[in-house]
Amino acid sequence: SQQGEEDPQALSIQEGENATMNCSYKTSINNLQWYRQNSGRGLVHLILIRSNEREKHSGRLRVTLDTSKKSSSLLITASRAADTASYFCATDKGASGSRLTFGEGTQLTVNP
Amino acid sequence: EPEVTQTPSHQVTQMGQEVILRCVPISNHLYFYWYRQILGQKVEFLVSFYNNEISEKSEIFDDQFSVERPDGSNFTLKIRSTKLEDSAMYFCASSDSVRIYGYTFGSGTRLTVV
Repeated sequence: SQQGEEDPQALSIQEGENATMNCSYKTSINNLQWYRQNSGRGLVHLILIRSNEREKHSGRLRVTLDTSKKSSSLLITASRAADTASYFCATDKGASGSRLTFGEGTQLTVNP
Repeated sequence: EPEVTQTPSHQVTQMGQEVILRCVPISNHLYFYWYRQILGQKVEFLVSFYNNEISEKSEIFDDQFSVERPDGSNFTLKIRSTKLEDSAMYFCASSDSVRIYGYTFGSGTRLTVV
């Protein structure tokens, strides 16, 4: 079984619309993070949510976490063409230095 | 804003050759990592490093791989005898002890084994 599975695998929207991406995981976690990756480039940390938090905001980003369902969602509001990228969730078990387990990612395309 | 620096950005090597990928983590971070991403696939953990030793490694990180922090700033990943399937993007990352801000990843080294 896979830890950190995102859906949808691909999402195409128009500029100005909201984009929602979901992530599910299988084992207990301490933190869940969302990363963005432009094509062929590095990973950029977007937001971290701890297991005792339910919602977090950062600019146009809103992340929710439901530990009972082992799922998280990333909402990007008022999307822009520059938001086009792959988005990954990643979980860790909390011990300092513990590995991140990444999901498969959602490829978001925002059409101008 | 502090960043993790990786060199080279792209390396092409012949099968069987040794390669060393280099990283300069953020200076006050204590934990260092290597991840890899085969084209079109998800990011996979290779190894974490703390206090000058490996703290955790994945099943991918076999005897062909080694890591080193040769001085106070560099963190290297060595692949002793490269295989075609080692072709991937390799990311270095570092984090502080409480990881409030998540992990900081470098922009990656694209390794192509021919």
